[in-house]
Amino acid sequence: DSGVTQTPKHLITATGQRVTLRCSPRSGDLSVYWYQQSLDQGLQFLIQYYNGEERAKGNILERFSAQQFPDLHSELNLSSLELGDSALYFCASSVEPNYGYTFGSGTRLTVV
Amino acid sequence: QQQVKQSPQSLIVQKGGISIINCAYENTAFDYFPWYQQFPGKGPALLIAIRPDVSEKKEGRFTISFNKSAKQFSLHIMDSQPGDSATYFCAASKNFGNEKLTFGTGTRLTIIP
Repeated sequence: DSGVTQTPKHLITATGQRVTLRCSPRSGDLSVYWYQQSLDQGLQFLIQYYNGEERAKGNILERFSAQQFPDLHSELNLSSLELGDSALYFCASSVEPNYGYTFGSGTRLTVV
Repeated sequence: QQQVKQSPQSLIVQKGGISIINCAYENTAFDYFPWYQQFPGKGPALLIAIRPDVSEKKEGRFTISFNKSAKQFSLHIMDSQPGDSATYFCAASKNFGNEKLTFGTGTRLTIIP
């Protein structure tokens, strides 16, 4: 157990729907990162939050949004889902300054 | 734009042999280079990392070699074991790892008896 908890582990939903992925970081970690892993794109950075504030944005679609709450857990919201959004979504957390992230086990999203 | 190129895509090594995975980067602002190991159904796990002020870092059977002038770094796994069979990702970051990681495309390593 890495200490980073992601729920749900699996999610199957239809095109056009909206889902929310949840991440609880390791105790004491202030930064949360979201990554998307697909077969053709590898691990792609989506967004970073630090202590509740958005810190960096990557290739995140406008249909996607995220936030980090006062208790430091984070949620990634994916809306108007398309088949191409099917992927593994990973959350990672870190303490700043830090020389490495700890990843959760991911949420496998399948859009049908 | 892929800023970290990783090779090979897949690698088969005999048990006890040396596994070598290579990465090259473009952005000279990168100053932190970690390697991650990922097993099926799991998230990537940090294996070893290096900063550009050293040319080599060793932890057990795992060694990173770093060539700043060539903008290349590699992972060597000595005495490879079947339990090392996994996908390995190199990555790079700025600000000593406090910014987003840019990952290579991954190498699927298989260790055969």
